[in-house]
Amino acid sequence: ETGVTQTPRHLVMGMTNKKSLKCEQHLGHNAMYWYKQSAKKPLELMFVYSLEERVENNSVPSRFSPECPNSSHLFLHLHTLQPEDSALYLCASSQGFSTVREAFFGQGTRLTVV
Amino acid sequence: AQSVTQLDSHVSVSEGTPVLLRCNYSSSYSPSLFWYVQHPNKGLQLLLKYTSAATLVKGINGFEAEFKKSETSFHLTKPSAHMSDAAEYFCVVRHGGGATNKLIFGTGTLLAVQP
Repeated sequence: ETGVTQTPRHLVMGMTNKKSLKCEQHLGHNAMYWYKQSAKKPLELMFVYSLEERVENNSVPSRFSPECPNSSHLFLHLHTLQPEDSALYLCASSQGFSTVREAFFGQGTRLTVV
Repeated sequence: AQSVTQLDSHVSVSEGTPVLLRCNYSSSYSPSLFWYVQHPNKGLQLLLKYTSAATLVKGINGFEAEFKKSETSFHLTKPSAHMSDAAEYFCVVRHGGGATNKLIFGTGTLLAVQP
């Protein structure tokens, strides 16, 4: 248990569905991240939030929509996804952006788009 | 730009033998370096980190890594592998400050431990 909880753990959705991934951190951190992990590819940083404000959006398609209502919660809203969006989506948090600070990861949501 | 290269995508060792997972980094400045482990269907767990203090860093589960600036390397080692060490290992560099300070991940090394 790392203090970062993601739900659901597994999700299967059709291309026309709308779903949301949820992440909650219990560590008092002020920065949160979404990463995508696809087979045989390095982890891809998708979004970064600092103090509930989005500070980075790495050219992610608009069918992925993040939301950070407070410093403890982060959502990833999904709509009209493609099969190539199937991947493990990892949430992480850290205390600020200091170089020496590691990120703490949740267990991920395994997403399958059919 | 900073980056990390994990030289082996797969490593297989026998239980009780040493483990060596190789990582080379590229960074214009003194980086912070991390090793994370990911067990099947799990998230990433921090094994150890280097932040410009001691060059030999000890982590959890008997792992350690040595920062060698002259070789731009940060290899992960363990004297004796255990079956539970079978997992994927990621070398990570973090550089810079502010919100542009990112964790840059290597492509991972899958460690198999044979009985």
